[in-house]
Amino acid sequence: AQSVTQLGSHVSVSEGALVLLRCNYSSSVPPYLFWYVQYPNQGLQLLLKYTSAATLVKGINGFEAEFKKSETSFHLTKPSAHMSDAAEYFCAVSETSGSARQLTFGSGTQLTVLP
Amino acid sequence: DGGITQSPKYLFRKEGQNVTLSCEQNLNHDAMYWYRQDPGQGLRLIYYSQIVNDFQKGDIAEGYSVSREKKESFPLTVTSAQKNPTAFYLCASSKSWDRTNNEQFFGPGTRLTVL
Repeated sequence: AQSVTQLGSHVSVSEGALVLLRCNYSSSVPPYLFWYVQYPNQGLQLLLKYTSAATLVKGINGFEAEFKKSETSFHLTKPSAHMSDAAEYFCAVSETSGSARQLTFGSGTQLTVLP
Repeated sequence: DGGITQSPKYLFRKEGQNVTLSCEQNLNHDAMYWYRQDPGQGLRLIYYSQIVNDFQKGDIAEGYSVSREKKESFPLTVTSAQKNPTAFYLCASSKSWDRTNNEQFFGPGTRLTVL
């Protein structure tokens, strides 16, 4: 069985500061991992994905994430926050085997960017 | 432009009524999905379809029904049996059910409110 834990349902950072959103996963087999962003009353947009190639994945809007198997983590970072980054962020996992090919989502982290 | 459309954006329903949410995609994707989103709970899978004329129950299928008669369409009916239908509903699609192509693309969502 697969699961995702996002530590911190709300994160606040100042504009220009580092953004760090935490995601830990549980999977019995090598996972595929995703980060999505959701703006108010909109659908989800894919930021980046890990599919067993490079462990450091670069995405859109200056975001990146590093897959750390030993820590079962896939934290999302951005060096300098912008006001437009304020949104909700979801981490998701997809397992490689069996019928568990749907995505399992974390409960989300709301990012607030302070001026 | 290719994408996923959902209609209506807002929907109000009286208790005891069935309502149908529309989801259409022109991405030529085989797989489609319906999620329910409630505050603080992330996304929960209602139904998914790997291919036309086939669909499977997700984690919270009770009180919902779907059909997949055409590749591009995957309507969701919220029946009167759903005890707490007020939520934000998201439709998604992926190129295939195969794990290497199951990155999901999301529609803009429908917000359903039961009066």
